[in-house]
Amino acid sequence: GAVVSQHPSRVICKSGTSVKIECRSLDFQATTMFWYRQFPKQSLMLMATSNEGSKATYEQGVEKDKFLINHASLTLSTLTVASAHPEDSSFYICSAGTSGEETQYFGPGTRLLVL
Amino acid sequence: QKEVEQNSGPLSVPEGAIASLNCTYSDRGSQSFFWYRQYSGKSPELIMFIYSNGDKEDGRFTAQLNKASQYVSLLIRDSQPSDSATYLCAVNNDYKLSFGAGTTVTVRA
Repeated sequence: GAVVSQHPSRVICKSGTSVKIECRSLDFQATTMFWYRQFPKQSLMLMATSNEGSKATYEQGVEKDKFLINHASLTLSTLTVASAHPEDSSFYICSAGTSGEETQYFGPGTRLLVL
Repeated sequence: QKEVEQNSGPLSVPEGAIASLNCTYSDRGSQSFFWYRQYSGKSPELIMFIYSNGDKEDGRFTAQLNKASQYVSLLIRDSQPSDSATYLCAVNNDYKLSFGAGTTVTVRA
């Protein structure tokens, strides 16, 4: 149980392109989903928290107009990187949790390379 | 001051030995603590979590928590080459996880 998928697993795009990443909880209803970014040799940094049907809460320093998050259902959240630039190249990982539980289950991650 | 601190390593242990990983945290109000394993190029996978002071064992893994000292550790017994990975300590505050930088463990065959 507690399987989270992400799609796509890898994206290579040109600068200025918008990229959409999907995160799905496959066998449970995720009331909360989290989006992280991880640069090489660094730890995970929380970007934002999204609750189903609500606006996402962004961490300090994360541009909400650049990293658009939608959590339209209890099994799907999307992260759109608007007008991606090379400095946005990173490993983006989502996690999902259920109400009242503190454990987060991570998706396999999406590796974004912006040329 | 970093919220969650870990020794970056690398920690090299021979196969069959015990690997000991340490983590300290700054928020005294933190209530739950997690250990994740991350293989190179992959996302983290949950090893175990601990809420109460003392030890918690799960197979070859033992987590130890000392809230007074704001310290949590992970012991890996009978280390195997497949345990070679980066181990991330995470502290939960208001349902958000703060991660340490991770300790890289290499198990020598």
